Amino acid sequence: EVQLVESGGGLGQPGRSLRLSCAASGFTFDDYAMHWVRLVPGKGLEWVSGISWNSDRRRYADSVKGRFTISRDNAKKSLFLQMNSLRIEDTALYYCVKDKYRSSWGEYFQHWGQGTLVSVSS
Amino acid sequence: DIQMTQSPSSLSASVGDRVTITCQASQDINNYLNWYQQKPGKAPKLLIYDASNLEAGVPSRFGGSGSGTHFTFTISSLQPEDLATYYCQQYDNFPRTFGQGTKLEIK
Repeated sequence: EVQLVESGGGLGQPGRSLRLSCAASGFTFDDYAMHWVRLVPGKGLEWVSGISWNSDRRRYADSVKGRFTISRDNAKKSLFLQMNSLRIEDTALYYCVKDKYRSSWGEYFQHWGQGTLVSVSS
Repeated sequence: DIQMTQSPSSLSASVGDRVTITCQASQDINNYLNWYQQKPGKAPKLLIYDASNLEAGVPSRFGGSGSGTHFTFTISSLQPEDLATYYCQQYDNFPRTFGQGTKLEIK
């Protein structure tokens, strides 16, 4: 069974940093692209960032480009999101998401974690 | 970025009703569209992919159609457990974008 468990969320101040982690199990982690998608209160779902299986491709939403960095450690079956220069509008529930197929690159978001809550406030 | 516009933003229907949600893309996205269901307090779930293909294990009362810029999601006979917010999502281009969601309530 695929399991994705996020951690690292919490209360952050504007301009500060947080690092999210996602521990994966139940599948061959280094076969799949992975993503972060957030649920913004009152606004809905927003794709944040994606990384290919071997880290050679990384993509970001314009709203986080230059501030967030996605990475992965295939040996530890883990996905990360380094969030710098936090803004109030980054407040959201952040989901770790797995692609449906080994060959996928952000087409189908099949498996989702339960999310980790990030709250940015002064 | 490709904008996805869903309508309605909310709707209330009775058990057994046929429910339809539409999603309009700001440019042609072929059939590169998915539909997700998010129940309260739960993670989203992929229901429909490539505009019309039912994900494994999803009840057959759910369906999707469309191509290009106009797409439709349908529940043929609404059940109480269908209380949720539904989102469309395009994968024609990065950034992947979602519609703003349709909150479905049961009368």
